[in-house]
Amino acid sequence: GENVEQHPSTLSVQEGDSAVIKCTYSDSASNYFPWYKQELGKRPQLIIDIRSNVGEKKDQRIAVTLNKTAKHFSLHITETQPEDSAVYFCAAKGGSNYKLTFGKGTLLTVNP
Amino acid sequence: GAGVSQSPSNKVTEKGKDVELRCDPISGHTALYWYRQSLGQGLEFLIYFQGNSAPDKSGLPSDRFSAERTGGSVSTLTIQRTQQEDSAVYLCASSLNKGVDEQYFGPGTRLTVT
Repeated sequence: GENVEQHPSTLSVQEGDSAVIKCTYSDSASNYFPWYKQELGKRPQLIIDIRSNVGEKKDQRIAVTLNKTAKHFSLHITETQPEDSAVYFCAAKGGSNYKLTFGKGTLLTVNP
Repeated sequence: GAGVSQSPSNKVTEKGKDVELRCDPISGHTALYWYRQSLGQGLEFLIYFQGNSAPDKSGLPSDRFSAERTGGSVSTLTIQRTQQEDSAVYLCASSLNKGVDEQYFGPGTRLTVT
């Protein structure tokens, strides 16, 4: 089955800096890659996603890149703000076409 | 519109007791998913429903776990003879249908087995 690795497990940045979180996946049939943000005690919120026919997608300060050949994808947050502090999860949806396989999460702390 | 809702939000139970966790998906969403999130871990897939059918139960950790969905809407996850290792947050998600990728999560039920 699919296996998703996520790095780093924790990331601390200064307000205004950029943050990058990287994930790798194992199933070459995977075709959908969402990113979720989870604040403490809250539900995971879908913040951006990318499909395998696209290499990059941007939404304001957030961007995701996908390298299908290398089977990795990354989340980029620019001009970080304290409210970006949360746990971020990457996921991949494989050939089964229904379930998401998640990475173990990255705790991002943005220091004011 | 209303998002995915789950109840109860918190459940404390004694080892050996049975518990039922409820999920109410977004109206009109035919696909429903249960995940488990243990402390410091990612989300682990448990089971998936398309309508009232569960084509894949492979993520259920043991035969103490079961789930059903009736009327193509509400789903119940039942854990029998709970064990301490069952303590986790149980999250439900729904999507419009199997072919639609985006899954939207409920707030979860935090289960503590003492």
